[in-house]
Amino acid sequence: NAGVTQTPKFQVLKTGQSMTLQCAQDMNHNSMYWYRQDPGMGLRLIYYSASEGTTDKGEVPNGYNVSRLNKREFSLRLESAAPSQTSVYFCASSESLWTSGSGEQFFGPGTRLTVL
Amino acid sequence: KQEVTQIPAALSVPEGENLVLNCSFTDSAIYNLQWFRQDPGKGLTSLLLIQSSQREQTSGRLNASLDKSSGRSTLYIAASQPGDSATYLCAVRTDQAGTALIFGKGTTLSVSS
Repeated sequence: NAGVTQTPKFQVLKTGQSMTLQCAQDMNHNSMYWYRQDPGMGLRLIYYSASEGTTDKGEVPNGYNVSRLNKREFSLRLESAAPSQTSVYFCASSESLWTSGSGEQFFGPGTRLTVL
Repeated sequence: KQEVTQIPAALSVPEGENLVLNCSFTDSAIYNLQWFRQDPGKGLTSLLLIQSSQREQTSGRLNASLDKSSGRSTLYIAASQPGDSATYLCAVRTDQAGTALIFGKGTTLSVSS
């Protein structure tokens, strides 16, 4: 059981380049999330998808876009990367509380992104 | 706005000690609270989930308690081992509609042999 997988594991970009971070889960969860983790700031929510076909902004959405491709996959896109987007990006998934799920969130291994 | 605080930020103990990690949150209207472990350069591993209606959860040497009215949770680790060395994160969920967890900044634990 793979759980939550993310690709790539590491990436170096130059300012202005674009890229897409991929995330997939095999737990049949409705909800998926993208977080970033920065030293001294903790984990902060970028975007989330409560269910297939919906996406909403989190605490720090500027400079990012997301796509919920299907129930399994949720991608994060940086259209024009900036040094301030250097961070570790985590994808997570959970069952929805309204479906009697526990709401426990499961995290992927992360993508370490450096923008020069 | 919900804020989550973890004290202490760092903790060093000798092997075998029992220890308590603290987590406090400012808004008691939570749906659940989750404790995670994060090893350096790695992802987050879920340790325990406590629903708002529960008082505690146990898994092996770990016991997490929740006092929602006072906005506090503790993670108790019994008979600590060097393998317990990691950063422990507390996070609360405050919205049923699917918004995400609000995280504390973590307690970094070092257990020496």
